[in-house]
Amino acid sequence: DAGITQSPRHKVTETGTPVTLRCHQTENHRYMYWYRQDPGHGLRLIHYSYGVKDTDKGEVSDGYSVSRSKTEDFLLTLESATSSQTSVYFCAISAPRDEKLFFGSGTQLSVL
Amino acid sequence: GDSVTQMEGPVTLSEEAFLTINCTYTATGYPSLFWYVQYPGEGLQLLLKATKADDKGSNKGFEATYRKETTSFHLEKGSVQVSDSAVYFCALSDRRGGNKLTFGTGTQLKVEL
Repeated sequence: DAGITQSPRHKVTETGTPVTLRCHQTENHRYMYWYRQDPGHGLRLIHYSYGVKDTDKGEVSDGYSVSRSKTEDFLLTLESATSSQTSVYFCAISAPRDEKLFFGSGTQLSVL
Repeated sequence: GDSVTQMEGPVTLSEEAFLTINCTYTATGYPSLFWYVQYPGEGLQLLLKATKADDKGSNKGFEATYRKETTSFHLEKGSVQVSDSAVYFCALSDRRGGNKLTFGTGTQLKVEL
């Protein structure tokens, strides 16, 4: 298994609170991604990163921000959580010129 | 933009039955195509891929052929097992760099004894 650790694995929070999800990799891959998984939508890209301090928006980036200060860590922040952000969040990594993505085990986030 | 359409599930089969999960795509360029599988409580893992027309990806008895003329990448297996029960996602990569994938909505497969 690719060395990807997501934390926390489960989180319950209240509307309006900030939340940060962490993705940590030990593979030294340059590319990292955050996806959310929702019934009827499959996986949708939130943000991605091509390297340290190099991030960009995906198709569902509103309400989310990211940071990547080290190759191994990619943080996803919900500045003020809303119920519509209740979802399962997956981190993924890949190497340039290799289209294969490796996924973490996911974070189940519930916003009440 | 790019999109992937999969047949809706759940698909319920008896063990040793033949499996087909349909997948069609829309893309402006010439994408690479993938099938990913998600077992309960886990992240997605790559099942197979194809990068050009008429390529056949295969793994663990699963196969899919890249059909450019019908923009399809249907997943097939000749004889399913209970252990194949999972959610299957079809996806494409636009090859414009960055390996960003566009996923279908997923198809849940349940295999019963």
